[in-house]
Amino acid sequence: DVKVTQSSRYLVKRTGEKVFLECVQDMDHENMFWYRQDPGLGLRLIYFSYDVKMKEKGDIPEGYSVSREKKERFSLILESASTNQTSMYLCASSLGGGGRTEAFFGQGTRLTVV
Amino acid sequence: DAKTTQPNSMESNEEEPVHLPCNHSTISGTDYIHWYRQLPSQGPEYVIHGLTSNVNNRMASLAIAEDRKSSTLILHRATLRDAAVYYCILRPSSGAQKLVFGQGTRLTINP
Repeated sequence: DVKVTQSSRYLVKRTGEKVFLECVQDMDHENMFWYRQDPGLGLRLIYFSYDVKMKEKGDIPEGYSVSREKKERFSLILESASTNQTSMYLCASSLGGGGRTEAFFGQGTRLTVV
Repeated sequence: DAKTTQPNSMESNEEEPVHLPCNHSTISGTDYIHWYRQLPSQGPEYVIHGLTSNVNNRMASLAIAEDRKSSTLILHRATLRDAAVYYCILRPSSGAQKLVFGQGTRLTINP
């Protein structure tokens, strides 16, 4: 069974903390993605990576950075967490080949910043 | 990115077929049409995708219009477990490979 695993299901952090959200996939996928999901705003792409050490900004990259040192792991970093970053964060992965291949999602991390 | 338009919500009855429409009038010749769904409190899951021809798998069927400006996801016999938000997404065959989600259709299944 294919798997995208996010390190935490629920996380509570304080304002100003540095936060790491980890995502691991076991399918040798080239592409990995980070989204956030908020009521009424849907899923919005933060960053994606199409290879190790390669990244591209999505629609809402401000306040976030990412790291992909190994093919299987894609980390989302909140340098200084703020309350407006309270959200559901979803990680996904897919093979290269663009539209020919499907994406697989993790279960999500619900982050609360207090 | 080419856009898709879906109804905000739809309702159907258990054990009946469901046809979920999607308009994508600005689709390019190399865009694949993908469908995903998101069950409550879960991440999205892949349903089906196609390019030009109709496609079938164990979950659903995808009917693509001849001009490719619209498509329909067909659930042949809906169950209560099919209640979810369904997303229609266009994904280029090459170049930027990101998945861009719209608002989707919230499907309610009545027992």
